[in-house]
Amino acid sequence: DTAVSQTPKYLVTQMGNDKSIKCEQNLGHDTMYWYKQDSKKFLKIMFSYNNKELIINETVPNRFSPKSPDKAHLNLHINSLELGDSAVYFCASSPQGAYNSPLHFGNGTRLTVT
Amino acid sequence: AQSVTQLGSHVSVSEGALVLLRCNYSSSVPPYLFWYVQYPNQGLQLLLKYTSAATLVKGINGFEAEFKKSETSFHLTKPSAHMSDAAEYFCAVRISGTYKYIFGTGTRLKVLA
Repeated sequence: DTAVSQTPKYLVTQMGNDKSIKCEQNLGHDTMYWYKQDSKKFLKIMFSYNNKELIINETVPNRFSPKSPDKAHLNLHINSLELGDSAVYFCASSPQGAYNSPLHFGNGTRLTVT
Repeated sequence: AQSVTQLGSHVSVSEGALVLLRCNYSSSVPPYLFWYVQYPNQGLQLLLKYTSAATLVKGINGFEAEFKKSETSFHLTKPSAHMSDAAEYFCAVRISGTYKYIFGTGTRLKVLA
């Protein structure tokens, strides 16, 4: 059973298009995240939801809009895609309990904007 | 602000040699520290986490890390490298009082035959 699953795995699109990435977790966790990993492998937090409430919103262009229909799902919609949006986007989740609870990651969505 | 710093973006070791990947943290309160591994084209997998119950933490795949408050370090070690250990390794910290996890810049481990 996949714990955190993302779709699609690969996404190739042209500049100016709008695209969405979906994420689902079956771990019963309360908190979900989106991270962006650039070509140098640097991981940057973008958003986080806790029980469908947005709790972290880093300095991300407003072309990026997360949505959490329920605590098991977190989607990321990107409008007017730009070349610089090319990256690997990771979804992750964690339980609400102890502060040393780790993040559980999906396998990533590789977005290529041409 | 709390953060982690990984020294050495690339580390090469011979198969069977000691692996040492460095991570230093900046924190005025007890940090919540983690090590993750990322194999090519995969997500991040937890290796181990610091729990404050013990300064030496054992993880999966023979890895362990020692928390040293005096040096603000949480270095990752493995006594004998295996070819399958070649991957990217990330140190991470959960910011106290928040849901935010911050990652170091990563260290790529190369294992030479």
